[in-house]
Amino acid sequence: DQQVKQNSPSLSVQEGRISILNCDYTNSMFDYFLWYKKYPAEGPTFLISISSIKDKNEDGRFTVFLNKSAKHLSLHIVPSQPGDSAVYFCAATPDNYGQNFVFGPGTRLSVLP
Amino acid sequence: GAVVSQHPSWVICKSGTSVKIECRSLDFQATTMFWYRQFPKQSLMLMATSNEGSKATYEQGVEKDKFLINHASLTLSTLTVTSAHPEDSSFYICSARGGGNTEAFFGQGTRLTVV
Repeated sequence: DQQVKQNSPSLSVQEGRISILNCDYTNSMFDYFLWYKKYPAEGPTFLISISSIKDKNEDGRFTVFLNKSAKHLSLHIVPSQPGDSAVYFCAATPDNYGQNFVFGPGTRLSVLP
Repeated sequence: GAVVSQHPSWVICKSGTSVKIECRSLDFQATTMFWYRQFPKQSLMLMATSNEGSKATYEQGVEKDKFLINHASLTLSTLTVTSAHPEDSSFYICSARGGGNTEAFFGQGTRLTVV
């Protein structure tokens, strides 16, 4: 039973356009959500996070939106750049210190020049 | 962000031998460290969670005696794959959390190939 779902295994976007990556979760105990970016043969890199008390968090080209009632969050990248091509993982955790993260299966983003 | 260093980045070993992977938090005290395994084109699978000074908590299906985890200090955790077999070949990644950070920071990963 997947608690964190990323239903699009891959996404292709033209350079300069907006990339929207979606994530859904089922566990209502999740209170803190994170996005990680991963290149092949490297560890994931933290991108941006959002607490359930917010519905939006922005950091440069990256914005995460949270719809808690729908148990849905999305990552917007604008403008998309070729260097953004990677696998993006959505992760969720109860907002308790030391709790493990539950990762989604990932979405492979390809930004085409 | 905080820095987590994982070593080695890749290792090839013979079947039946043991391999140790180190995970160090360089600029913060990691009270909790996580070990993940990633199969090709799949998500990160949590293997175990370790708190400094305590025994690791293993996820269901992960063999404790095969994947030995030690978190002896606030900056170092090790994963030892004992009596490695070719099916243990995978990408192993550690992450660390602590120092007031809610985020977990990841090591670079270790590509293990057992021949």
